[in-house]
Amino acid sequence: AQSVAQPEDQVNVAEGNPLTVKCTYSVSGNPYLFWYVQYPNRGLQFLLKYITGDNLVKGSYGFEAEFNKSQTSFHLKKPSALVSDSALYFCAVRGEYSSASKIIFGSGTRLSIRP
Amino acid sequence: ETGVTQTPRHLVMGMTNKKSLKCEQHLGHNAMYWYKQSAKKPLELMFVYSLEERVENNSVPSRFSPECPNSSHLFLHLHTLQPEDSALYLCASSQDTSRLSYNEQFFGPGTRLTVL
Repeated sequence: AQSVAQPEDQVNVAEGNPLTVKCTYSVSGNPYLFWYVQYPNRGLQFLLKYITGDNLVKGSYGFEAEFNKSQTSFHLKKPSALVSDSALYFCAVRGEYSSASKIIFGSGTRLSIRP
Repeated sequence: ETGVTQTPRHLVMGMTNKKSLKCEQHLGHNAMYWYKQSAKKPLELMFVYSLEERVENNSVPSRFSPECPNSSHLFLHLHTLQPEDSALYLCASSQDTSRLSYNEQFFGPGTRLTVL
């Protein structure tokens, strides 16, 4: 069975500091991993994905994520946080043997950046 | 906006009402999804349509009835809902749902549903 975990409900970071939002997963076979962001009163917006290749994936708004196969993790990172990064972040995963519709989303992590 | 629109954005209904949610995608995708988003819970996939054929139905109560008349439009018909059905209902689309697809989903802004 596929699963994804975001162990932190909330992450608080000061503006200008680096941020990390954690995600771990469990799938059969190789994973396809995604990060989405949700701003208030909006739908989810795609940030980045890992399919294969380089373990460090770069995405929108200066975000990047690092795939670590041995730790089954796909943590979202940004070197210098902005107040405008404050939002709800979702990690999602599916296994290579599953159809694209069987993507599993985590419960979300609320990121709060203080000025 | 993302190219996926949803109407209405807000809906308040009584338990005996019948209403419908509408979703339209302008991205040329061939798959559409309904999700339920409740506070502090993972997104729940309700229905998936690929090439206008329903391919997923994750044990959703029969008071929710989807309809996909073409690849650009998706409806969710609601009747005799319960207060616990109050949530944000999100529509999404993607290109292809096959196992070989790596395509991300594009989401609409959602309909905030309140059942009294």
